[in-house]
Amino acid sequence: KQEVTQIPAALSVPEGENLVLNCSFTDSAIYNLQWFRQDPGKGLTSLLLIQSSQREQTSGRLNASLDKSSGRSTLYIAASQPGDSATYLCAVRVLGQGGSEKLVFGKGTKLTVNP
Amino acid sequence: KAGVTQTPRYLIKTRGQQVTLSCSPISGHRSVSWYQQTPGQGLQFLFEYFSETQRNKGNFPGRFSGRQFSNSRSEMNVSTLELGDSALYLCASSFGSTGELFFGEGSRLTVL
Repeated sequence: KQEVTQIPAALSVPEGENLVLNCSFTDSAIYNLQWFRQDPGKGLTSLLLIQSSQREQTSGRLNASLDKSSGRSTLYIAASQPGDSATYLCAVRVLGQGGSEKLVFGKGTKLTVNP
Repeated sequence: KAGVTQTPRYLIKTRGQQVTLSCSPISGHRSVSWYQQTPGQGLQFLFEYFSETQRNKGNFPGRFSGRQFSNSRSEMNVSTLELGDSALYLCASSFGSTGELFFGEGSRLTVL
């Protein structure tokens, strides 16, 4: 059974700092990995999608890497801003019951960027 | 291009009642999946529909059901509500089976 773990559960940093969020998964048989952010009481916003054949993806100040063999992904946020404060979730797409795919989520890292 | 739309955004029900939630996917997306989010369990997969067929189902009791219409809009139903069903219910759509998922704002259900 696939399990996704995100450490730390919460992180507080001063504005301008570069930071790394970690995600680990127990089964390397994944189709892709997706990073999301969630603001309080809101839905999830997709940040980056990495297919299983890829090693990294970049979007603006965000860079996500994927190492399937070790079951790890990192989300790097450069020059953090107060507006980056949110909960960041990673999810892996795996084969579920019935032969089709589903997402398995981590519990998230709650990030606070202090001005 | 409109995003994923979920209705209603908030609702309050009492134990034993039933509820129906609606999800309109992004235009052109044929896959719709549903998730339950609670503080204790996090995000858990409920089910996925593709072209009106349920392709995948999570580990939830039979009180949770869903369907998808020919226009890809989807509904989920929870019957005989329990206090533990209080949660944020999120719908997501994607173009293909391994494509990027896009989520709606969710339906916040409170069961009293």
